[in-house]
Amino acid sequence: AQKVTQAQTEISVVEKEDVTLDCVYETRDTTYYLFWYKQPPSGELVFLIRRNSFDEQNEISGRYSWNFQKSTSSFNFTITASQVVDSAVYFCALRGGGGGNKLTFGTGTQLKVEL
Amino acid sequence: GAVVSQHPSRVICKSGTSVKIECRSLDFQATTMFWYRQFPKKSLMLMATSNEGSKATYEQGVEKDKFLINHASLTLSTLTVTSAHPEDSSFYICSAPRTGGKTQYFGPGTRLLVL
Repeated sequence: AQKVTQAQTEISVVEKEDVTLDCVYETRDTTYYLFWYKQPPSGELVFLIRRNSFDEQNEISGRYSWNFQKSTSSFNFTITASQVVDSAVYFCALRGGGGGNKLTFGTGTQLKVEL
Repeated sequence: GAVVSQHPSRVICKSGTSVKIECRSLDFQATTMFWYRQFPKKSLMLMATSNEGSKATYEQGVEKDKFLINHASLTLSTLTVTSAHPEDSSFYICSAPRTGGKTQYFGPGTRLLVL
């Protein structure tokens, strides 16, 4: 069975602070894919990143960066210099390598960025 | 821009009526689409996998006769909530992977309120 754990239910930060959202996963697949999605108040899920299990390189995209640590089964997401527009629920998700495209979602982390 | 659309975005209906929600892939063909349900402040729960040309695959605990899924074409899947009751009120989201892709793109969601 696959499982994704986002232990942080809600995080509040002041604008310009850095914030890291944690994601820990469990899978027996040797090939798998990890995702982060952003869900703003409008409800639509916005794709942020996909990482496959064979690529442990960290990735940076503007103020966003991701730290994939296979040894600890973690795929953490850091927002640098947070902004109010970053306020949203962020979901980490896992897809096994066996095909079928099924995603297992974490419970999400509500990020509130205040002025 | 959006690659998956949903219609309607919001619907209010009386208890006992049926509601149809459409999910369309806009610039690609999707042999598979997914239907999720999300309760307020909760994660996405996969309801079923919609397969073009064959029956949908339902997740455990999801009533097939209650939530009818039809994948009419390579760009359209519909979810019909039959004889809706207030407990069916929720946010319904569909997704589709781009052909050959490993990333699911989500529709904007449909908020259903059953009175």
